[in-house]
Amino acid sequence: DAKTTQPTSMDCAEGRAANLPCNHSTISGNEYVYWYRQIHSQGPQYIIHGLKNNETNEMASLIITEDRKSSTLILPHATLRDTAVYYCIVIQGYGAGSYQLTFGKGTKLSVIP
Amino acid sequence: ETGVTQTPRHLVMGMTNKKSLKCEQHLGHNAMYWYKQSAKKPLELMFVYSLEERVENNSVPSRFSPECPNSSHLFLHLHTLQPEDSALYLCASSQDRRGGGVTYEQYFGPGTRLTVT
Repeated sequence: DAKTTQPTSMDCAEGRAANLPCNHSTISGNEYVYWYRQIHSQGPQYIIHGLKNNETNEMASLIITEDRKSSTLILPHATLRDTAVYYCIVIQGYGAGSYQLTFGKGTKLSVIP
Repeated sequence: ETGVTQTPRHLVMGMTNKKSLKCEQHLGHNAMYWYKQSAKKPLELMFVYSLEERVENNSVPSRFSPECPNSSHLFLHLHTLQPEDSALYLCASSQDRRGGGVTYEQYFGPGTRLTVT
């Protein structure tokens, strides 16, 4: 699975959009970009995933560059409850692989009042 | 109840005790997972059940014994644990496409914080 690079930490003012970048320059054609987050002492939470088109759901938007070497997760109106560690994972979407989700170090997002 | 629930949320047990962790998913999924999350370590996949059949067992010691009686319920039976087994135990579920490969859209419960004394 391709390696990802994320900033260690970011701050965002409450009510503003939080834009979390992820670099995945070695991504291959059949690999998806998944985003999860983990709020302190809770289980990880699935947010969104995509292959090459931009995606949006009730939680966030995912913007993937045309060359697919990077992506941005957008939380349109950050709240204090969005304070968490956000993980970008690049992985082959479907196939005979392991079910293991491998989280890197992620970005610690702090939403400031 | 919605999503994935786990009981108990906290458990303290001695090394000679026997206890069980319970997980229930209300999402209509057909695959369930046990993960272990230790302090400052990556998430470790322990067991996977798909359509009530164990499909993955990642070299987990026999003192951990999973049980999946149906697609909505998953148990982890614990006996003669060691202090290093203290961790957050997470249950997850997903909709598995049997024959179509694995999916990584997994939904997690809140976890059971286990302390072995």
